[in-house]
Amino acid sequence: QKEVEQNSGPLSVPEGAIASLNCTYSDRGSQSFFWYRQYSGKSPELIMFIYSNGDKEDGRFTAQLNKASQYVSLLIRDSQPSDSATYLCAVNNDYKLSFGAGTTVTVRA
Amino acid sequence: NAGVTQTPKFQVLKTGQSMTLQCAQDMNHNSMYWYRQDPGMGLRLIYYSASEGTTDKGEVPNGYNVSRLNKREFSLRLESAAPSQTSVYFCASSESSTGIRRYGYTFGSGTRLTVV
Repeated sequence: QKEVEQNSGPLSVPEGAIASLNCTYSDRGSQSFFWYRQYSGKSPELIMFIYSNGDKEDGRFTAQLNKASQYVSLLIRDSQPSDSATYLCAVNNDYKLSFGAGTTVTVRA
Repeated sequence: NAGVTQTPKFQVLKTGQSMTLQCAQDMNHNSMYWYRQDPGMGLRLIYYSASEGTTDKGEVPNGYNVSRLNKREFSLRLESAAPSQTSVYFCASSESSTGIRRYGYTFGSGTRLTVV
């Protein structure tokens, strides 16, 4: 079992819709959870982190964490063409981050 | 601009050649990391350095060596390149192994390596 698994996608959504990305993790001791956005040919950039159960909102992005279910998600509201990218879920285990394979999102104009 | 600088950005090697990928950060971070990214496999940890003077293996260390030259610099060496090492390599840093919980990583821009 991989440490971090994401819905593989690709995910195609119309402009203005909600994009929903999911991630599960295997280590119950994991403490912090991150979402990175990576444009094609670029490096990952941090867009959200969450460490408490519940929801955390930042602009059009909402991260949701459920530690009992070992599940973290990212919602992108009012999706824009500029949101077209690969989204990486990352989980903190001690000294490092473990990453999922990523979900590619395409926003159709 | 503050951040993580990687060199070179692109490199083509022949099988058996050696090279060193350079990484430097100017954020006074303690921890540094090397990852490789392959299609469909996400980012996999090669080596990391939790603090100056220490290095440890990650998930995929075979065929690589590292040096933490000082607090700023962390290099990755391929002694005898193989086609399986064709990948995009990212260096990253974090404030510390505890600071990572709140701030995650800052990534460099990556090195695209092709081994023929």
